Amino acid sequence: SQQGEEDPQALSIQEGENATMNCSYKTSINNLQWYRQNSGRGLVHLILIRSNEREKHSGRLRVTLDTSKKSSSLLITASRAADTASYFCATAPNAGGTSYGKLTFGQGTILTVHP
Amino acid sequence: DTEVTQTPKHLVMGMTNKKSLKCEQHMGHRAMYWYKQKAKKPPELMFVYSYEKLSINESVPSRFSPECPNSSLLNLHLHALQPEDSALYLCASSQGLTSGRLTVAKNIQYFGAGTRLSVL
Repeated sequence: SQQGEEDPQALSIQEGENATMNCSYKTSINNLQWYRQNSGRGLVHLILIRSNEREKHSGRLRVTLDTSKKSSSLLITASRAADTASYFCATAPNAGGTSYGKLTFGQGTILTVHP
Repeated sequence: DTEVTQTPKHLVMGMTNKKSLKCEQHMGHRAMYWYKQKAKKPPELMFVYSYEKLSINESVPSRFSPECPNSSLLNLHLHALQPEDSALYLCASSQGLTSGRLTVAKNIQYFGAGTRLSVL
């Protein structure tokens, strides 16, 4: 079952603006990752944040994690038309055994950046 | 080389056909995954292989049969599929299946471009 909920479901902005996407989850996690998917293609890993980290940066990306609220946000600054894609959060469980390696994806946010 | 290659890119099959999807990676990864993705939905995990052994089967119907012949290859054999099985099938790989702090990066998954499957 998919435990992640993302909001908004869709986001439309102009080039140069910032885009913020949110993700909530339900169970204890080891880490949370964000992936991007261009239309009908495979997913590309963007950034990983560990459960003991609160914020992480990578280029124009900033991810925050609040484990007390079981939520994360992805901020893309100075957006470009090429950022148009679906963005998914994915959680890796903290449980042992056969849960290792199992990523559970959120519902995704469709981002459209207009030139 | 951070590429996961999936073939074919597109596949159309009838409900009585038998076909196979293929996935290959040469990154030395020891965990490989099959996902199913419907339009405008997130990927749903189907199977996980770790060191060529089936580690997770997410209660997938037996008409889907995975196979991992070696550490670089992953197949998904299809038989007697239903129209509702039409979807994008994604393969992924990662370094391994661990959850320790020093090895958490092994959870990062690298995806292929997928096979678009249509069942008539």
